[in-house]
Amino acid sequence: DAGVIQSPRHEVTEMGQEVTLRCKPISGHNSLFWYRQTMMRGLELLIYFNNNVPIDDSGMPEDRFSAKMPNASFSTLKIQPSEPRDSAVYFCASSYQPHGANEKLFFGSGTQLSVL
Amino acid sequence: DQQVKQNSPSLSVQEGRISILNCDYTNSMFDYFLWYKKYPAEGPTFLISISSIKDKNEDGRFTVFLNKSAKHLSLHIVPSQPGDSAVYFCAANGRGTYKYIFGTGTRLKVLA
Repeated sequence: DAGVIQSPRHEVTEMGQEVTLRCKPISGHNSLFWYRQTMMRGLELLIYFNNNVPIDDSGMPEDRFSAKMPNASFSTLKIQPSEPRDSAVYFCASSYQPHGANEKLFFGSGTQLSVL
Repeated sequence: DQQVKQNSPSLSVQEGRISILNCDYTNSMFDYFLWYKKYPAEGPTFLISISSIKDKNEDGRFTVFLNKSAKHLSLHIVPSQPGDSAVYFCAANGRGTYKYIFGTGTRLKVLA
């Protein structure tokens, strides 16, 4: 099992540019989460998908952030336009939740985003 | 509003001694709790979990204790090893929700 795969591992961009982060969840998992890690807030949940449908995007900070899951094996998180305060590590996680919660999450290695 | 709190940002322990990491939560609807370990430049990995119907769960050197009345859980590592040096996150989840709320993490350093 390859685990959750995220790309790129590192992204450096200039303020105002569009940034796209990618995630391939573990095959067979039906739930996908995007988290952002910062020193002040720890791991913040940005958005949650179940069976490719966005269920909860209340953690998405602003309209500049958007996420899609066109199929069960791929998701993107886009920031447009990016700002320096978006600099953080972004994690994707997946799990199999057939009847609800209480299943552990499997995390990818993260994308370190730096917006200059 | 931080629903899951880890009030100690860092902890140092001698090798062979016990490490105790603490976590407090505010939402009484949480019924499942997890601990994750994170090494630099890697994603968090699952360590141990506990359901609210239990007050203790043990896995090798790792034990999690849950005190529902105090809304407090702790992770005990005995004996601590240098390889345990990492950031530890606690997380909580409520029945019927898919939202896992994480704390801010505690950096554990085990000194050889």
